[in-house]
Amino acid sequence: GNSVTQMEGPVTLSEEAFLTINCTYTATGYPSLFWYVQYPGEGLQLLLKATKADDKGSNKGFEATYRKETTSFHLEKGSVQVSDSAVYFCALGANAGGTSYGKLTFGQGTILTVHP
Amino acid sequence: DTAVSQTPKYLVTQMGNDKSIKCEQNLGHDTMYWYKQDSKKFLKIMFSYNNKELIINETVPNRFSPKSPDKAHLNLHINSLELGDSAVYFCASSHWDRLNTEAFFGQGTRLTVV
Repeated sequence: GNSVTQMEGPVTLSEEAFLTINCTYTATGYPSLFWYVQYPGEGLQLLLKATKADDKGSNKGFEATYRKETTSFHLEKGSVQVSDSAVYFCALGANAGGTSYGKLTFGQGTILTVHP
Repeated sequence: DTAVSQTPKYLVTQMGNDKSIKCEQNLGHDTMYWYKQDSKKFLKIMFSYNNKELIINETVPNRFSPKSPDKAHLNLHINSLELGDSAVYFCASSHWDRLNTEAFFGQGTRLTVV
């Protein structure tokens, strides 16, 4: 079945540091890949997405590239801010037909804390 | 305007009680979901409905019964609550679209069973 593995957290950085959160996946077919963010006390918000190999998703300075050869979708940001402190989830969306269609499979989440 | 709204936001109840969580979306989506987030933040799908039809039921105890009166609503009823049901429950919705399974999430309902 489908699965997503994220790097273990928590991750603690100073403001303006470079961020990488690793994400690898196992899937059949050609899934879509997503990064969602959960700020404290809130629901999940879509941060960025990529629907096919070599696509790069980007938003708010965050980027991730869909790498089919390495089955990865690593999240990066060149300069983090205190306001980026949140839990980040990598997710895989089943694109194939059938009973799993529409289902998101999430990684375990990575807690990011950015200090001033 | 809230796109996906859940009520209540917090729910504290005793073991053995029956409770419901309501969810509504105003995005015109035809597919809705319930996800459970445990204390370690892990998210797992419970159910999905497409056009009021159950599509996914992920080995959830039958004490949990989703009900979809129309495409814009998906409620979750839980019978005989147990301590292990304590979690945050998220409702979500999306289009049934082969190229884009992006889902929009509600704010969550934090259920505490005591």
